[in-house]
Amino acid sequence: GAVVSQHPSWVICKSGTSVKIECRSLDFQATTMFWYRQFPKQSLMLMATSNEGSKATYEQGVEKDKFLINHASLTLSTLTVTSAHPEDSSFYICSAGLVDTQYFGPGTRLTVL
Amino acid sequence: TQLLEQSPQFLSIQEGENLTVYCNSSSVFSSLQWYRQEPGEGPVLLVTVVTGGEVKKLKRLTFQFGDARKDSSLHITAAQPGDTGLYLCALQEDRNTNAGKSTFGDGTTLTVKP
Repeated sequence: GAVVSQHPSWVICKSGTSVKIECRSLDFQATTMFWYRQFPKQSLMLMATSNEGSKATYEQGVEKDKFLINHASLTLSTLTVTSAHPEDSSFYICSAGLVDTQYFGPGTRLTVL
Repeated sequence: TQLLEQSPQFLSIQEGENLTVYCNSSSVFSSLQWYRQEPGEGPVLLVTVVTGGEVKKLKRLTFQFGDARKDSSLHITAAQPGDTGLYLCALQEDRNTNAGKSTFGDGTTLTVKP
């Protein structure tokens, strides 16, 4: 149990385009999901908390107009990187909470050319 | 916000050696999780420790939670190349005030050479 999926697993896009990443909790419902960004050989950096049915809460320094988050159902949260630029290239990971533990998706590798 | 410090940041050892990774908090926490992450994948939960002084074993991995619940350690016996990865400790913040979000340590990158 407690499986979280992400789609796509990797994406390559041109600078200026928008990219949507999906995060799904497959066997449980999650009113709250989290989006992280990770650079090579570094820890996870929390970007935002995705709240089902309400606005996401962004961490300091994260542009909410740049990283749009939608949590339309109890099993799905989406992160849209708008007008992507090469500096947005990174590994994006989502997680969903069950009891007192976070379960992570497999991550999405975004490369912006 | 609680801070978590992990040490060492990088560790490279030979197969068969033992190692210990440490995680220290600036304040008491109610529970702590240890994760292992392989390149290109998401973190996978190894264990959750809750009680001060608790010791949990997972095959060759031994997890300890300090008596004061401010520190934890992960000990690997007879490391194997398959243990290579990024080890992360994390604590979950108060669900009532922070929606249960987790704070992560900086991670320990372990390389086990055959």
